[in-house]
This record gives sequence, C-alpha cells and structure tokens, in this order.
Amino acid sequence: GESVGLHLPTLSVQEGDNSIINCAYSNSASDYFIWYKQESGKGPQFIIDIRSNMDKRQGQRVTVLLNKTVKHLSLQIAATQPGDSAVYFCAEIEDSGAGSYQLTFGKGTKLSVIP
Amino acid sequence: ETGVTQSPTHLIKTRGQQVTLRCSSQSGHNTVSWYQQALGQGPQFIFQYYREEENGRGNFPPRFSGLQFPNYSSELNVNALELDDSALYLCASSRTSGNTIDFGEGSWLTVV
Repeated sequence: GESVGLHLPTLSVQEGDNSIINCAYSNSASDYFIWYKQESGKGPQFIIDIRSNMDKRQGQRVTVLLNKTVKHLSLQIAATQPGDSAVYFCAEIEDSGAGSYQLTFGKGTKLSVIP
Repeated sequence: ETGVTQSPTHLIKTRGQQVTLRCSSQSGHNTVSWYQQALGQGPQFIFQYYREEENGRGNFPPRFSGLQFPNYSSELNVNALELDDSALYLCASSRTSGNTIDFGEGSWLTVV
C-alpha cells in the first residue's frame, strides 16, 4: 500500500476558528477509542476518549463523535489556539477480555494553526 | 506530566549491536506496552506486559524482547539492530486494560 510516512494529511486553520479532524477506523469489534496529540519530539498526549456505547463525548474545548455504522471518529476543537498545533492520532482498542489490549493508531493529521 | 519516564532520550547504535531501553511507570500501573514510531507514522504496537509476563505481541520479530519488574519499571531489548529499527520507541502504561493509557516522551534510536 501507499506509504504515508512523509505525507501526513494536513489541516490549516485560523486561530480562533473551530477545527475538525477525522479518522476512519478498521475494526468493527473495537470498543474503546482515544484521541492523542503529539507535539514534535514528544510522546503522544491523551486528549479525550470514548467507548463504543456512546456517540458523543465532550471535554474542555474538545468533542469526540463516534459513528459506528461507518466506523468513523472525529475530533472537534473549539476556538483553536496556536498551542493546538501538533499531529493528532486516533487510536482504537479491542478488549480481548484476557487482559491484553493494544492501541491501533490511525495515520495521523497534522494541525497547523495560523495566528 | 504523565508519570511515565523513559531513558535514554536519544542514542545512536551501529547495525548489529544490541540496545536496552528503559521505562518507569507510575505506582500501580501494572500494564505496560511498548510501541515503535517511525518518522512521520503512527506508533506500532510491539508487545504488552502485565504483572511481569508478556500477554500480547504485535508483528515484531523475536529479537525484540522485554522485561517488566515488580517496581513498575520495564525494559525493551532489541538484538541484532537493523537500519530500519531507527525510530522513536514509546512506553505506555495503565492500571488495567481500558483505563487511560499514558505515554512517556520516548527514546529516539538511530541505527547507523
């Protein structure tokens, strides 16, 4: 398949506008989803999570929407700030029930905020 | 601050050498996972340890191995390093499956 190593999808938004980052996941059995923010040179930072029995969850300035029918997640960031500039990953987990789980990450979207 | 610390932050190794990366988790975080993140890509699951035993593994060869210790620290060992092993290696920990999973800042490995 195509390597997306150096071709991350990019979203540029004006400071103060709302941002919407989309993610398609692959495993219909996944029951827990997490959005992470990763700044350059740092590890992923937890933003918000949602379980498969929900379709919406809100945090501070962020909202996650889950559409299980089309296996789609979105992250909405209200009043985007320069500090929001980073790469955003969605991750899915299928709970095997045996205490073992793994995060499967999406391809990532680079958000650039224009001051 | 996630309470997950990794060392070293950066290191350079020669092809064929061996490397050990270390991670210290928060007290009570009895589940630890390791991920490999190549430049410009998302993290890839290597393996998971729970109560000092491996209980899940991704698509990585046996030369990637690990240990988890009772004091909530863990190690990732990679033998016979290859150029493609150059990546950011991330440690993630949580109390139990399904809880918030916290990442460390990672160890940057360059293989030359």
